[in-house]
Amino acid sequence: RKEVEQDPGPFNVPEGATVAFNCTYSNSASQSFFWYRQDCRKEPKLLMSVYSSGNEDGRFTAQLNRASQYISLLIRDSKLSDSATYLCVVIASGGSYIPTFGRGTSLIVHP
Amino acid sequence: DVKVTQSSRYLVKRTGEKVFLECVQDMDHENMFWYRQDPGLGLRLIYFSYDVKMKEKGDIPEGYSVSREKKERFSLILESASTNQTSMYLCASSFAGTQYFGPGTRLLVL
Repeated sequence: RKEVEQDPGPFNVPEGATVAFNCTYSNSASQSFFWYRQDCRKEPKLLMSVYSSGNEDGRFTAQLNRASQYISLLIRDSKLSDSATYLCVVIASGGSYIPTFGRGTSLIVHP
Repeated sequence: DVKVTQSSRYLVKRTGEKVFLECVQDMDHENMFWYRQDPGLGLRLIYFSYDVKMKEKGDIPEGYSVSREKKERFSLILESASTNQTSMYLCASSFAGTQYFGPGTRLLVL
């Protein structure tokens, strides 16, 4: 399994800002992509899956660029409660469902 | 909702002790995983299991073993705890690629 890379940040943004994170992956055979959110001293929780066509869930939009091998997460109208670490997860093909986690990007939203 | 529970939230052990961390999931998932998470290193896979009595090494299996005698339970064993095994240990079960994590066990080895 090859690496998944994320900018660790922290991204420090004011409430209401739009912020975007990228995550690059090196295995071109990767087939499934996810964003997880991890609050301080808590377990990671699924934020959203990333589909080839892109997907949106409220203020959150995830996109996949297979040609350049990266996925992105866009957060609009940031809230204080969005402060967390965002983990990118990639699963290669083959049916094993073994994930490779990025090290996470820290987001701090301030008043 | 999927529920994954871990036997302890916090644990303090001494060097050389045998340590058991237990994980139970209630959704009949076949796949279960043990990770450790350390600052700056992210989540690292220790072991995983596809089914009862099946186990596979992850990226950092040294110093650990696992047991899966029942589908819902996956145990991580530190045969002889060392200070460099002080960490946050996270268990997960998965279905169709989505991971469901337990709350984690913070282990301190003195």
